[in-house]
Amino acid sequence: EPEVTQTPSHQVTQMGQEVILRCVPISNHLYFYWYRQILGQKVEFLVSFYNNEISEKSEIFDDQFSVERPDGSNFTLKIRSTKLEDSAMYFCASSGPQGYQETQYFGPGTRLLVL
Amino acid sequence: GENVEQHPSTLSVQEGDSAVIKCTYSDSASNYFPWYKQELGKRPQLIIDIRSNVGEKKDQRIAVTLNKTAKHFSLHITETQPEDSAVYFCAARVFSGNTGKLIFGQGTTLQVKP
Repeated sequence: EPEVTQTPSHQVTQMGQEVILRCVPISNHLYFYWYRQILGQKVEFLVSFYNNEISEKSEIFDDQFSVERPDGSNFTLKIRSTKLEDSAMYFCASSGPQGYQETQYFGPGTRLLVL
Repeated sequence: GENVEQHPSTLSVQEGDSAVIKCTYSDSASNYFPWYKQELGKRPQLIIDIRSNVGEKKDQRIAVTLNKTAKHFSLHITETQPEDSAVYFCAARVFSGNTGKLIFGQGTTLQVKP
């Protein structure tokens, strides 16, 4: 069964550094998402992406965040200048194809620790 | 605003008993309600979902009910087993633009005692 994959599984960075989290969605999916989960808390929506553009973003997704689909398989989340409070598990999800976009399948996550 | 409330936050049952987790959503336009199971350090795994045109759905030991009028939906697990122990999240899909984001509840930690 196809799965969403993410790399790296863990990332430790210094405050102020840039990080790029990578995701490979399920191959025939058209809708892509990033969520985050601070330790012990609920999963929070960050951004959705469709047709090579952001569809919606949350208040968390400020100017320090960006997403990109650089090629036909990868979907990335960039944090330009990390803050301590960015420490969390980041999940990529995908859904689709057209007309079957409801069910979102989650990747294994990247645990980001900002020191 | 968009919100999903989930109760209880923790639930402990004996093996073989039933477990019920309840959620309430705020956005009346929500039309899709998935439930995810998350084991420690792992990804949320979809276990069952229900759409707004259906009142109940069952899959073996798991069932979900939806009351659109009251904006309530519930997860029912029967004949619980130790491997059911995990954190369970409900979610409501809020359709926006071309996509639909999931708004999650706070999670329920289910412990099934052997």
